[in-house]
Amino acid sequence: DGGITQSPKYLFRKEGQNVTLSCEQNLNHDAMYWYRQDPGQGLRLIYYSQIVNDFQKGDIAEGYSVSREKKESFPLTVTSAQKNPTAFYLCASSRRQGGDTQYFGPGTRLTVL
Amino acid sequence: QQQVKQSPQSLIVQKGGISIINCAYENTAFDYFPWYQQFPGKGPALLIAIRPDVSEKKEGRFTISFNKSAKQFSLHIMDSQPGDSATYFCAASMPNAGGTSYGKLTFGQGTILTVHP
Repeated sequence: DGGITQSPKYLFRKEGQNVTLSCEQNLNHDAMYWYRQDPGQGLRLIYYSQIVNDFQKGDIAEGYSVSREKKESFPLTVTSAQKNPTAFYLCASSRRQGGDTQYFGPGTRLTVL
Repeated sequence: QQQVKQSPQSLIVQKGGISIINCAYENTAFDYFPWYQQFPGKGPALLIAIRPDVSEKKEGRFTISFNKSAKQFSLHIMDSQPGDSATYFCAASMPNAGGTSYGKLTFGQGTILTVHP
């Protein structure tokens, strides 16, 4: 099965703790993205990576960090500096050439208590 | 200039009716306009997409109408079905600095569509 997997589906953390969300793809896509979804606000881009060992900040990068050590993996760390981390987090990927279509994973719902 | 404004926020349609969702943008550099469909608890999935060189694209019951001069595009769902009940997002992207065709997507705020049987 080809696609994007995100784990876990639900995640609970105490305030002040860092947490890492997993995103893996076996589509051989070069580009990967992390979005945050809140009710009534659509999807907002956190970070994106166009190639291994390179990534750029999106529109709401503060309080988040990423790494891209492997083509198929793009983990997102929600740090304690993120003031309102409770949200639905979506990972996506696309081809580099002619790759306008972004394919999304099933998402991780993070709740900070 | 990066914003994509979507309306309405929610829409209720009877089975068999036409659902219409509208989006407007400011940045004329946008050159790719997809619509995504999202069911509760799932990731969005591409529904249909259009480029500015055509004014309309149809795939089954789904049609995108594009008005380049007005900087607006809309999604029409004909013969709406209860199974179409979902959240719909419009989006827009432009070529990245390197000129390759993929780029960041800017999403609208979403429309929650409910189709009553």
